[in-house]
Amino acid sequence: NAGVMQNPRHLVRRRGQEARLRCSPMKGHSHVYWYRQLPEEGLKFMVYLQKENIIDESGMPKERFSAEFPKEGPSILRIQQVVRGDSAAYFCASSPSLAGRDTQYFGPGTRLTVL
Amino acid sequence: TQLLEQSPQFLSIQEGENLTVYCNSSSVFSSLQWYRQEPGEGPVLLVTVVTGGEVKKLKRLTFQFGDARKDSSLHITAAQPGDTGLYLCAGEEGGGADGLTFGKGTHLIIQP
Repeated sequence: NAGVMQNPRHLVRRRGQEARLRCSPMKGHSHVYWYRQLPEEGLKFMVYLQKENIIDESGMPKERFSAEFPKEGPSILRIQQVVRGDSAAYFCASSPSLAGRDTQYFGPGTRLTVL
Repeated sequence: TQLLEQSPQFLSIQEGENLTVYCNSSSVFSSLQWYRQEPGEGPVLLVTVVTGGEVKKLKRLTFQFGDARKDSSLHITAAQPGDTGLYLCAGEEGGGADGLTFGKGTHLIIQP
């Protein structure tokens, strides 16, 4: 059973460009979570999605950031007009059902560098 | 927002020694998870503790959840160089909150 897949593993963008990060959850998992890890900081929750629904986006910046988890295909975290402060490692996690009853399994992350 | 404080932040010891790292909060968590993260990789789950006072063992690693479910500890016996890594604790608040709250981690180095 393949684990959580994220791509690309490394992404370099210039200021003002768009970044698209993809996450394929583990087989059978319908819940996806996105976290951001800044250098020397802990992982910070950004958004929680189920298929076609955003359940909790309380940790996501109000501007430039958006997330989706379509019926078919991977979850996408989209950052528009990137700035240097967006440079971080972005991790996706998945769980088979609601958090609290099942554990979140993390992908290898996408390391975004904004030049 | 609930916070998890991990201590020590950095720990470097010799192979064969024992160590304990701590994860503390002033708030109650419905469950707490310990992860290990290697450089350039995502966190890998080690254990989940749910019940206050619970103790779980994973080979040379012993995890304990505080009676009040506000704190946890990880004890490693006879540390090996392969134990080197970043150890993260993460708490789940429950009550409808969905994301995990992570501590900043303990950077552990085991020297041969």
